[in-house]
Formats: sequence, C-alpha cells, structure tokens
Amino acid sequence: DTGVSQDPRHKITKRGQNVTFRCDPISEHNRLYWYRQTLGQGPEFLTYFQNEAQLEKSRLLSDRFSAERPKGSFSTLEIQRTEQGDSAMYLCASSLGQGASRGKLFFGSGTQLSVL
Amino acid sequence: AQSVTQPDIHITVSEGASLELRCNYSYGATPYLFWYVQSPGQGLQLLLKYFSGDTLVQGIKGFEAEFKRSQSSFNLRKPSVHWSDAAEYFCAVENNQGGKLIFGQGTELSVKP
Repeated sequence: DTGVSQDPRHKITKRGQNVTFRCDPISEHNRLYWYRQTLGQGPEFLTYFQNEAQLEKSRLLSDRFSAERPKGSFSTLEIQRTEQGDSAMYLCASSLGQGASRGKLFFGSGTQLSVL
Repeated sequence: AQSVTQPDIHITVSEGASLELRCNYSYGATPYLFWYVQSPGQGLQLLLKYFSGDTLVQGIKGFEAEFKRSQSSFNLRKPSVHWSDAAEYFCAVENNQGGKLIFGQGTELSVKP
C-alpha cells in the first residue's frame, strides 16, 4: 500500500480565515478517522467515516468543524473562522475496521495548523 | 465513558535495561486495548493489541503487554531497550461496538547510552 497521505503538511493562517485539509486513505480501507493532537497530548478523536457515511462526531467538536468523504475515498476537514485554539496537528487515519484488522489504524503524517 | 490514563509523562531508561510503561483504562465491558508508538517525524504505528484470550500479547519490535482485568491495566514491557525505541507511546481503548479509539496522553521514552 502507498500509505495515508495528507495535504498540506503545514498551514499557517490568520485568525478568522477558513482552512481545508485533505486526506487520502489507503485505497481498500473503508474507515477513515480524523484526530487532533497538541504538544504533549494524545490524539483527540474528531470524527470518523465508514465509506461515505459519517458515523460519529465528537461532542467536543465545534460547529465550525465539518468533514466530508463524498465518494468513500478521500476526505476533507474544513475549519471555518479559525481561532488560535485550533492550532494543532490534524491527523488522518484509515483502517479496514473489522476482524483481525479492527483497531489497526494507519496514520498519515498529519497537517500542522498554526493560527496567528 | 471509556478513558485511558498513562500515569508517566516521561520515562528515561538506560540502553539494555528493561522497560515497563503503565496504562490504566476505564470501561465497563471487556475492552479492546492497543499500544501505538509515535517516533519523531513519523506517524503513529500499532505495536500490539488485545481483544480476548491470552492476556499476554506479543507485538512488533520485541514489545509485549499484559492485560490485567483486576487492575484495569494493560502495561507495555520490553526486556531490553534499544536506543531506537526512544519515542512517544500511546495506550488506547476501543469499545466492543467498534468505532473510535480513545488515546491516553502518552508516555515519552528517552533512552540513555
């Protein structure tokens, strides 16, 4: 497999701007996850998809955050009206999600967001 | 709600010494438990997992972990640490309906020569 790829690797934006990140999962994986990680913390769950269906979204997630996976392949995460507190590493992961592969997430290298 | 606690933020061990990283979980039913490693500049990688059965599970890179229901623990061990093991280690839990993983805050491992 070619791995999970995320674009861009780094994003610097000004407070109040909108940003969009893209994730391309491993092609045969039907599950796709978004996590957020800040320095010294573990990954914090944001949302996940089974194919094109968004199955769960964190209750902690502001309405400014939205994610899509329109054809069950790549996914986008959009943050509207960014705030300085949104500065973090945004991680995407994919998995087969069943059987022996359950819980075996393949992570991308992440998109580092800095909000000035 | 499920949660994971890793009591040690940072641990330093000498190369060749044994290692144990602690993980405590909170979950009502039988948990699905995982250890992931994050090396500098690299994505998280699965080390090992526990679903059921034998409570001692083997993983990659010589790591093992033991599930102890009575202590709600899933500690990670390695008999002899190598310098390349320096990384951040995360314990995670998933409910048995499937879905998201909940990660602990991580333990940073430093290895001294």
